[in-house]
Amino acid sequence: AQSVTQPDIHITVSEGASLELRCNYSYGATPYLFWYVQSPGQGLQLLLKYFSGDTLVQGIKGFEAEFKRSQSSFNLRKPSVHWSDAAEYFCAVQRYGGSQGNLIFGKGTKLSVKP
Amino acid sequence: DAGVIQSPRHEVTEMGQEVTLRCKPISGHNSLFWYRQTMMRGLELLIYFNNNVPIDDSGMPEDRFSAKMPNASFSTLKIQPSEPRDSAVYFCASSLRVGPRQETQYFGPGTRLLVL
Repeated sequence: AQSVTQPDIHITVSEGASLELRCNYSYGATPYLFWYVQSPGQGLQLLLKYFSGDTLVQGIKGFEAEFKRSQSSFNLRKPSVHWSDAAEYFCAVQRYGGSQGNLIFGKGTKLSVKP
Repeated sequence: DAGVIQSPRHEVTEMGQEVTLRCKPISGHNSLFWYRQTMMRGLELLIYFNNNVPIDDSGMPEDRFSAKMPNASFSTLKIQPSEPRDSAVYFCASSLRVGPRQETQYFGPGTRLLVL
């Protein structure tokens, strides 16, 4: 069965520091991969997605992620974190084809930003 | 585009009452998803519609939950009777499915449900 693991429940970084949020997936075929961000009391906003092609994808708000098939990973990065980046981040995998098109989410990583 | 619209944004009800959550997907999207978010279980799919037809309802917790999509622009999720363990944030998402490919899902702001 498909699954997504985000090993870090909570991460704290200083403003201006770099950030990497980890995501590992379990899927038998080429996955579609996503990162969403959820601010407190808000819905989920898409940061970026990987369907195929270049394994380094750029997203909104200065985020990027790299798909590494050999490691079954899709880690999210940002070179310099801003206080407004404090939120919860969800990695998700989606099946391609078949009858199901739903997303399978990780448990999320909560990001705190120190001034 | 207005995005996915959900109502109400907050709902407080007493155990045993009927609760109806509403969703208007993005115009032109043909797939609609209901998700539930709780601290214990995270985000989990409840039901998925494609072209107004329920495709996968394996995530619906029990018979107290039902969902309908009478047309392409409206869906409801109903809980009857409601229980305290149903307290959660319920998200609706929509996307475009073209053949086997499901495009990006866009989420509504969610409905925060509290059952007392």
